[in-house]
Amino acid sequence: NAGVTQTPKFRVLKTGQSMTLLCAQDMNHEYMYWYRQDPGMGLRLIHYSVGEGTTAKGEVPDGYNVSRLKKQNFLLGLESAAPSQTSVYFCASSYEAGLIFGANVLTFGAGSRLTVL
Amino acid sequence: GESVGLHLPTLSVQEGDNSIINCAYSNSASDYFIWYKQESGKGPQFIIDIRSNMDKRQGQRVTVLLNKTVKHLSLQIAATQPGDSAVYFCAENSGNYGGSQGNLIFGKGTKLSVKP
Repeated sequence: NAGVTQTPKFRVLKTGQSMTLLCAQDMNHEYMYWYRQDPGMGLRLIHYSVGEGTTAKGEVPDGYNVSRLKKQNFLLGLESAAPSQTSVYFCASSYEAGLIFGANVLTFGAGSRLTVL
Repeated sequence: GESVGLHLPTLSVQEGDNSIINCAYSNSASDYFIWYKQESGKGPQFIIDIRSNMDKRQGQRVTVLLNKTVKHLSLQIAATQPGDSAVYFCAENSGNYGGSQGNLIFGKGTKLSVKP
């Protein structure tokens, strides 16, 4: 199994351009998440989804949109990219809703590095 | 606001020595904590977790200690190996986003470098 796959791995955009990051998981996970990781900061939740057709805002949702049309895919869109959105983006998925003691229930992708000039 | 942070951004240890990575949290109501390891170019990987009703939990070569009095969490790695070189994050369950895993609030991370 591939687990969580993110595409593209790297992208450079100009300010104002739009793009979509794709996250695909083959584990039949119900829950999916998009985080951003900036230097010197921990992962911050952008948006998440608790099932196909649902999305919800996380800690830093402004400037991003998401869609979960298929259970296995979670798309993160930037309609008008800004330099402040330069970051490494991580997608994650989980089968369980809650945190299970002693178990790794959150699987991360390898990340997508986005630079906005 | 509530935050999870790490005392030291970098830690360098000699191969074979023990490593201690620290984490401070501010939400005294947090009931669950996780440590993640992130190797260069990869996503975070689960290492070990602990509940707030515990003081200590051991895994394979790793031990997590929780001191609720001072809101401090630490990760101890025994006999540190070159393969342990990575960034280590602590995270706490904030309970902000319903029952999802998005509840986790991550610290800034500590970079561990192991010298041969």
